[in-house]
Amino acid sequence: DQQVKQNSPSLSVQEGRISILNCDYTNSMFDYFLWYKKYPAEGPTFLISISSIKDKNEDGRFTVFLNKSAKHLSLHIVPSQPGDSAVYFCAASARGQGAQKLVFGQGTRLTINP
Amino acid sequence: NAGVMQNPRHLVRRRGQEARLRCSPMKGHSHVYWYRQLPEEGLKFMVYLQKENIIDESGMPKERFSAEFPKEGPSILRIQQVVRGDSAAYFCASSPEGMRRTEAFFGQGTRLTVV
Repeated sequence: DQQVKQNSPSLSVQEGRISILNCDYTNSMFDYFLWYKKYPAEGPTFLISISSIKDKNEDGRFTVFLNKSAKHLSLHIVPSQPGDSAVYFCAASARGQGAQKLVFGQGTRLTINP
Repeated sequence: NAGVMQNPRHLVRRRGQEARLRCSPMKGHSHVYWYRQLPEEGLKFMVYLQKENIIDESGMPKERFSAEFPKEGPSILRIQQVVRGDSAAYFCASSPEGMRRTEAFFGQGTRLTVV
């Protein structure tokens, strides 16, 4: 039962353009969402998060959008840079669970082409 | 990732041996979470511990796996009688308190290979 789904295993974007990574979830109890970036042989690194009381959160080149009615969130990276090439995971947690008991998607491998 | 230390980084075990994975949380963090990542998959929650307590082990396999976080020393994830299917990357994360919503800080992981 995959409660958090990232349907695109990979995405290729030209440097300088916008990267859009998508994530869908099924559990209506999820109320906090996070995006992590992961390089090979390293642990995930936190990027940005959003609470369910918001529909947008922005941090520099990274913006996360949340559409609760559609149970969908997306991460926008603009402009994309070669160093953004990595695997991106979205994750979710539910109220009442431990703060870091996260449910992860399968990941999307982003490649930024020069 | 700075601050959460996992060792060893790589561990090779023969089938039937025991694997011990260690995680030292960031300074000041008293909550530890263990996750497992199988090849080409996302991370899966295994267990959530505070010092000397297991809070949530709903993601732990029922047999051969155990975890502890003693009053002194690192958290340990122990896998007894390892099988090939245990080959994975094991990550731990730490946070300063259990319920406040904040990002988790992950270690670099231990890559377990069972031969």
